[in-house]
This record gives sequence, C-alpha cells and structure tokens, in this order.
Amino acid sequence: SQTIHQWPATLVQPVGSPLSLECTVEGTSNPNLYWYRQAAGRGLQLLFYSVGIGQISSEVPQNLSASRPQDRQFILSSKKLLLSDSGFYLCAWSGTGPNQPQHFGDGTRLSIL
Amino acid sequence: GNSVTQMEGPVTLSEEAFLTINCTYTATGYPSLFWYVQYPGEGLQLLLKATKADDKGSNKGFEATYRKETTSFHLEKGSVQVSDSAVYFCALSDTAGGTSYGKLTFGQGTILTVHP
Repeated sequence: SQTIHQWPATLVQPVGSPLSLECTVEGTSNPNLYWYRQAAGRGLQLLFYSVGIGQISSEVPQNLSASRPQDRQFILSSKKLLLSDSGFYLCAWSGTGPNQPQHFGDGTRLSIL
Repeated sequence: GNSVTQMEGPVTLSEEAFLTINCTYTATGYPSLFWYVQYPGEGLQLLLKATKADDKGSNKGFEATYRKETTSFHLEKGSVQVSDSAVYFCALSDTAGGTSYGKLTFGQGTILTVHP
C-alpha cells in the first residue's frame, strides 16, 4: 500500500532563517505531488504541484520554493522566512489518471518567531 | 473557473443527531467530487468520493450523492458521534481540457462539533 511521510511534525524558526520541509511517498511510482498551506485550521491554499522530477508549478507568488529531486521526494524551501510564512503545511500525492483523489501527509506546524 | 462553496460553520450537534453539510460547485467539465475529513492536528483523510452524476459515495456511515442538476454534493450522516467532531472539506477534481494534473479545488471547510 502507498504511504506518505512528512517531516518534521512541528518546527519553530526565527524570522530570516532558512527552511526545508521534506515529503516522501512510498508504494507508488511517478505520483503527482502537492504542497499546501493551511491557515487558521481552515481553507487550503495550493502552493506548488509537480507532475515529474524537476517539474514544478507554482500557484501563487511567495517567499517559498519547491523542488523534486527524486520521483517520490518533494521538498519545500525558503532562503529567509517571514512571519507570514507561519502555518500548517501539508504534502499530498495523487495518481496520474483523471479525477484521482489526493492523499495527505500528517502536516508540519511551522511557527515563525 | 472551478469553485466549491460549503455551508458556513461551525455546526454544533448533539450525539445521535442527523447531520447535513451542504456543498455546491461550479466546474467547466465533468468533475469528480470528494469529501475529506481533518481531525485536530492531523492531515486530511479522504472520506468518500463520487466520479459521475447520480453516484453515491459512502464510508463510515457518511454518504453524499453527486447531483448534477443542482450541482451539489451534500454530506449526510444519520446519527453522529462525538468522534465525528472534525473539519469537513468538499472538493472537486476537474479534467476539462484533458488535463490530468489532479489539482483539487477545495471548499473552505466546515467545523463540526458533536456534544455527548
């Protein structure tokens, strides 16, 4: 069966520090991968998605970037964090067929001080 | 563009009450529809799905019917439990134009609290 791992679970970082969040998927090949941010425990904002190694699409301009160095690895990064980057970050994967559901990791709670 | 509208919450019910969370959508193609549930501090879990008109998705006592004529996908449960307290998200996946990127459009979520 497929599983998705996301770490760390919680992270406290000072303003201006770098960020690296990692997500890996097991049990499937060539998944579509997604990064979301969720503010105030409610709506989800799609940040990035990827349909293959090295292929990243950004949904909104922001202080963050994403990379996909391997088929089942998706990394969210920042060179200098802002206070507004605080939130709950979720990674998800889906199959490549039409109308596939997405499957989510457990999320990373990021607090910027 | 695509959009999903959920009823505003929060919804507060007593245990064993009937639950309805409304969801309506707009889409340019022939979407699949999903309900996700998020328990406190966790990621989203797929609760149920429907891929074409008149399909009924069901899981754990929850069900929703894909109504193309009213562009709706309302979530229902006959008797809620305290353990159902969570945030519920309606979502659609639209492959209009042949894209299969799998992008989902989410509603804003509805907070459900069930009291004993």
